[in-house]
Formats: sequence, structure tokens, C-alpha cells
Amino acid sequence: GNSVTQMEGPVTLSEEAFLTINCTYTATGYPSLFWYVQYPGEGLQLLLKATKADDKGSNKGFEATYRKETTSFHLEKGSVQVSDSAVYFCALSNPPRPGGGFKTIFGAGTRLFVKA
Amino acid sequence: DGGITQSPKYLFRKEGQNVTLSCEQNLNHDAMYWYRQDPGQGLRLIYYSQIVNDFQKGDIAEGYSVSREKKESFPLTVTSAQKNPTAFYLCASSITGTGSVRAFFGQGTRLTVV
Repeated sequence: GNSVTQMEGPVTLSEEAFLTINCTYTATGYPSLFWYVQYPGEGLQLLLKATKADDKGSNKGFEATYRKETTSFHLEKGSVQVSDSAVYFCALSNPPRPGGGFKTIFGAGTRLFVKA
Repeated sequence: DGGITQSPKYLFRKEGQNVTLSCEQNLNHDAMYWYRQDPGQGLRLIYYSQIVNDFQKGDIAEGYSVSREKKESFPLTVTSAQKNPTAFYLCASSITGTGSVRAFFGQGTRLTVV
């Protein structure tokens, strides 16, 4: 079945450090891939997405490239800020099947702490 | 503004009582979902619905029930059969077309059993 595996946290970085959060997936077909972010005390928000191989999603300085050959969608940011402290979820959504549904599958989440 | 509204934000329940969490969306989405989030764990799917009057069990449906009588509404009932109901509950919705499908999330309801 489909699954998403993220690196375990927490990840603790100093401000302006480089961030990578690894995400790999297992899926049949050609899923869409997403990163969601959950800031403290809030619900989830979409951070970025990619819908096909080699697509790069980007938002707020974060980037992730859909790598079909390595089944990965690693999240990167060149210089993190304290305000980036949050939990980050990698997710995939497979296309709808005829007569059936689909669902979004989430990784376990990776908590990021950024120190000033 | 379009969006998803969950209520209440905080909910306390006595052991042995059923409680219903509300989720309403005005995005005209066909699909709606309920997830549970526990400390240190990812989101786990409880139930989902692709269309009005139809829903399917997710990975952890035991002890929960849902209904989908209207497109806009997908309430979740946490029954007394749910052995460990204290958690953060997230409702989401999405379209069901082809192509990229992203979910929109509510702000969540934190349920505490006292």
C-alpha cells in the first residue's frame, strides 16, 4: 500500500542554518506530493506541492523536488528563522480510482526548533 | 471567506459519555475527512467521505461514528467505546477531481477526557 516516511525529529537548528527534512514515499501510480506545516497551537496549512516528476514546489523560501527515481520529496530551506519553528508533515495523495475514492496519507511529522 | 470551521476548539468530556465534534465547510468540496493527531505521532485517518450519504472507515475507525447528510457537514461522534479519546482532531476537505488534490484543514478540536 501507499506510505510516507519522514525523518524523525526533533530537528534543532540555529537561525540562518540550512534545513533538510527527508521524506520518501511508496505509492502505486503517480501521486501528488505535499508538505504541510503546523505552527504551535494552529491547524495544518499547505506549504507547497508538486504534482509530477521533477516538479519543484516552493513557498516562503522552502523548496521540495518530486524525485520519482528515488521516490523522495525532501524539504529544504537555505536559511531558517525562529518563526519557522513548527511541525512539518510530508503527504501524498493518489489520483482517484474509477468508482472509488482516494485519500491523503501523511508522514509522522518532523518537529523543527530554530534557536535565535 | 471560504473555509472549514471546526467547533468547539476545546472540548472536555467525562468518561463514558459520547461527544460530537462539528465540521462545516463552504468550499463546495465533495470529500471530507477526519484525522486524529496524538503527541509524537502523525495524522491518522479515522473516517472519510467522498460524497453525501456515503463514508468509509479509515485506519482507526473503532469507537467513532460519522454521518454525511449534507455536503457541507461531516460531524464526528466519539463514542464511549473509544478507549483513548483524548487527542487533537482535525477535519479536512478536498475536491475529488483528477490532478493535484490538496486538502484544506480546519483549526482542530482538542478533546480531553476527564
